[in-house]
Amino acid sequence: AQRVTQPEKLLSVFKGAPVELKCNYSYSGSPELFWYVQYSRQRLQLLLRHISRESIKGFTADLNKGETSFHLKKPFAQEEDSAMYYCALSGGTSYGKLTFGQGTILTVHP
Amino acid sequence: DTGVSQNPRHKITKRGQNVTFRCDPISEHNRLYWYRQTLGQGPEFLTYFQNEAQLEKSRLLSDRFSAERPKGSFSTLEIQRTEQGDSAMYLCASSPPKGQSRYEQYFGPGTRLTVT
Repeated sequence: AQRVTQPEKLLSVFKGAPVELKCNYSYSGSPELFWYVQYSRQRLQLLLRHISRESIKGFTADLNKGETSFHLKKPFAQEEDSAMYYCALSGGTSYGKLTFGQGTILTVHP
Repeated sequence: DTGVSQNPRHKITKRGQNVTFRCDPISEHNRLYWYRQTLGQGPEFLTYFQNEAQLEKSRLLSDRFSAERPKGSFSTLEIQRTEQGDSAMYLCASSPPKGQSRYEQYFGPGTRLTVT
């Protein structure tokens, strides 16, 4: 079975502060990990995926297979980063279906 | 708007009634997914289509739920004899067949179902 855990439902930081949204997963094979974001009144959209190892909007995430984690980080948070963030996992033989965590609401205060 | 569209956006129905939702994916996306999201939870996978073939169904999809994608384009999700526990946001997503972007799912705005 595959599972994604986001331990923090709410996370508040001040503008300019570093932010880290935690994600841990459980999967027996080699997973594909993603971060999806939902801004207020917008649809769910992909933020980044581990295979591309890219930085989007200043966010990065490193897959740590030893700790089974895929934490999302940004060194200097901006007010426009306030949103709901979901960590998601796709198993290798499951046609790309996603298993989502419960989500973390990030609020960046001015 | 060339993104994934879903209709209706909101549906209020009485317990025991049948409801049907429609999803129009992005053109040329051969993969289509349905998810359900309840309050405070992340989306949960319901079913997956590759072209017109329904290749995977979650155990969450009881006998009252049925989904179709008859011509490999739009898809419908029907819930028969609705129950209050069916109240949720139903999300549709599509994904292209080739290239790196096949890993990305493009989500629709969702249909919010309220069963009274």
